Amino acid sequence: AQTVTQSQPEMSVQEAETVTLSCTYDTSESDYYLFWYKQPPSRQMILVIRQEAYKQQNATENRFSVNFQKAAKSFSLKISDSQLGDAAMYFCAYRGTGNAGNMLTFGGGTRLMVKP
Amino acid sequence: DAGVTQSPTHLIKTRGQQVTLRCSPKSGHDTVSWYQQALGQGPQFIFQYYEEEERQRGNFPDRFSGHQFPNYSSELNVNALLLGDSALYLCASSFTGFFQETQYFGPGTRLLVL
Repeated sequence: AQTVTQSQPEMSVQEAETVTLSCTYDTSESDYYLFWYKQPPSRQMILVIRQEAYKQQNATENRFSVNFQKAAKSFSLKISDSQLGDAAMYFCAYRGTGNAGNMLTFGGGTRLMVKP
Repeated sequence: DAGVTQSPTHLIKTRGQQVTLRCSPKSGHDTVSWYQQALGQGPQFIFQYYEEEERQRGNFPDRFSGHQFPNYSSELNVNALLLGDSALYLCASSFTGFFQETQYFGPGTRLLVL
């Protein structure tokens, strides 16, 4: 079974600074998808960024980018120019492409605090 | 374009009761997945419905059941509620095509079992 680990329960960043959230995963599959979701206090899970494992290029979405290291099974999220609205829980998630490829497996989350 | 909607937003039940939660997928989506998120934890996959059938199931007991309707909306039913069933229940929709699409989440239903 796949597992996803987020080793940082909480992170703090100063407004306008850059922060990196870590995620590692364990899988025997070669083709899969990785996601970062943001969950603000309103509870709605919002997609931040998505990475296909077969793509070598790291995904970017405006101020959000990932560092995908397939051999190391690492998938970190970098937030540049942090804003107060970035404060939320961030979850890393894995989806495979085999028989169990329909479900998302989530990490335990990282709470990001943004200081003004 | 309406996103994923869920009802109700909050629900309070007592042990042993039964509950039904509802989800309407994002326009154009045909697949609905349900997740349970306990306080302070990441979501756990319950099951997924596609073409009105349960396609995949996570490690949840048979007390958890579901249904998908012809319009792709879905229900999650939980029987014989336990205190441990208190959680945020998230519905996610996606499109099952040649390349399976990303799952988009609704706002969730907060269930409290007393």
